[in-house]
Amino acid sequence: GAGVSQSPRYKVAKRGQDVALRCDPISGHVSLFWYQQALGQGPEFLTYFQNEAQLDKSGLPSDRFFAERPEGSVSTLKIQRTQQEDSAVYLCASTKRGGLAYNEQFFGPGTRLTVL
Amino acid sequence: DQQVKQNSPSLSVQEGRISILNCDYTNSMFDYFLWYKKYPAEGPTFLISISSIKDKNEDGRFTVFLNKSAKHLSLHIVPSQPGDSAVYFCAGDLGGFGGATNKLIFGTGTLLAVQP
Repeated sequence: GAGVSQSPRYKVAKRGQDVALRCDPISGHVSLFWYQQALGQGPEFLTYFQNEAQLDKSGLPSDRFFAERPEGSVSTLKIQRTQQEDSAVYLCASTKRGGLAYNEQFFGPGTRLTVL
Repeated sequence: DQQVKQNSPSLSVQEGRISILNCDYTNSMFDYFLWYKKYPAEGPTFLISISSIKDKNEDGRFTVFLNKSAKHLSLHIVPSQPGDSAVYFCAGDLGGFGGATNKLIFGTGTLLAVQP
């Protein structure tokens, strides 16, 4: 079965440009997460959806960052007026809910964003 | 404030020997702890989890030990294989009970190199 996919894999943007990063979760996975991974660091939580509801956006670093998941499947992370400090790998993860066992998060390959 | 710490940036072991990766945490509210493995240009891959009410979980060559009084966990890989060479991330989950998962708080990772 297909895993989590993300596009584009690589994105180069000029400072001030807007970018949109796409995530296709595993089919049927209810929960979707976005993380930001800076060079040499672990992933850091940005935001979390359950179906189409954004339940936690406490990790979004500024109001330039916006995420949506309008139909409870594909999600888009948008960054407006990109800055150099936005350069990072953006990871998407999805997971199912329910059951007795722990439901691990499955990660996509990430989008590497470079802001010049 | 780093809630999850991996103080060893790298570790080198011989093939067939034991690899021990360590992780410390400060937040007593974590429900679950996870280990993820990451190869270059790929997303993190789930390896093993442990509930905060357990002190050991084993899956094949991988065993995770949790010492709650010391707020410390470790991942043991026996025997180590060259294919285990990757970055290993420790993470805490604030909402893992009941089949749910919440945002993960990651450490900075340990690069494991298994020498043939």
